[in-house]
Amino acid sequence: DTGVSQDPRHKITKRGQNVTFRCDPISEHNRLYWYRQTLGQGPEFLTYFQNEAQLEKSRLLSDRFSAERPKGSFSTLEIQRTEQGDSAMYLCASSPRTGGMLYNEQFFGPGTRLTVL
Amino acid sequence: QQQVKQSPQSLIVQKGGISIINCAYENTAFDYFPWYQQFPGKGPALLIAIRPDVSEKKEGRFTISFNKSAKQFSLHIMDSQPGDSATYFCAANERGVNDMRFGAGTRLTVKP
Repeated sequence: DTGVSQDPRHKITKRGQNVTFRCDPISEHNRLYWYRQTLGQGPEFLTYFQNEAQLEKSRLLSDRFSAERPKGSFSTLEIQRTEQGDSAMYLCASSPRTGGMLYNEQFFGPGTRLTVL
Repeated sequence: QQQVKQSPQSLIVQKGGISIINCAYENTAFDYFPWYQQFPGKGPALLIAIRPDVSEKKEGRFTISFNKSAKQFSLHIMDSQPGDSATYFCAANERGVNDMRFGAGTRLTVKP
C-alpha cells in the first residue's frame, strides 16, 4: 500500500499523559499536513510542513502540541499533558509538489483516534 | 474557523435516486473546491474537485455544479447506491494558503 499511513490507529490515554503520533506520507510528496477531526465535524487544519520546514500553524495548535518532520519524510505530532478536550481523530495528509490541479490535492491517511480518559 | 457551510446534515435517498449536497463559502479568494468521501474509521478520500473557471465537472456518477456569483457549489450523485452511504465533506482552499477549510459534513444513507 503506497498511501499515507498513520500509527497508532487508536490511542487511549489518561489525562495528563503525553502522546505521540506518527505519519508516513506518500513517498514523493514533499508537503504534509496535520488535521484534527471531532465527532460530527469536518477536519480542522493544525499545521503544514514543506519538506522539513513547518511553515504554517493554526491557532488550534496550542503550546502543548508540537509537530516535527526532521528529515522531510515522516512526521510526528506530540501532545503534552493531554486533556479530555484533545479527544479526536488526528489526520495526516500529504500533497505532491507539482502545480495545476494537483497543487491542492491532499491525500489523507486513516487517522489516529485519541481518547483521553 | 469554518468558512464553508454545508447542508443538509443528513440525507436519506432510495437506491437509484439522486443525492444532492450543497455548500456555500464566504472567501472569494478560494480557488479550489474538492469533495471528500469518508467511511467510518477511515480518512477522507478525494472524490472530485473543481476550480471556479468552470461551472460543472462530471466524473462518472458524481457531478459538481459551481455558481461563482452565488458563492455556492454542490455535489450530485446520480443513480445512488448503498455503497455510496458515507459522510461527504465539501472543502475550499486558496492558492498559496495551506489551510483547507472543510464543511461540517453530510451523512448520506442510500436505502436498498
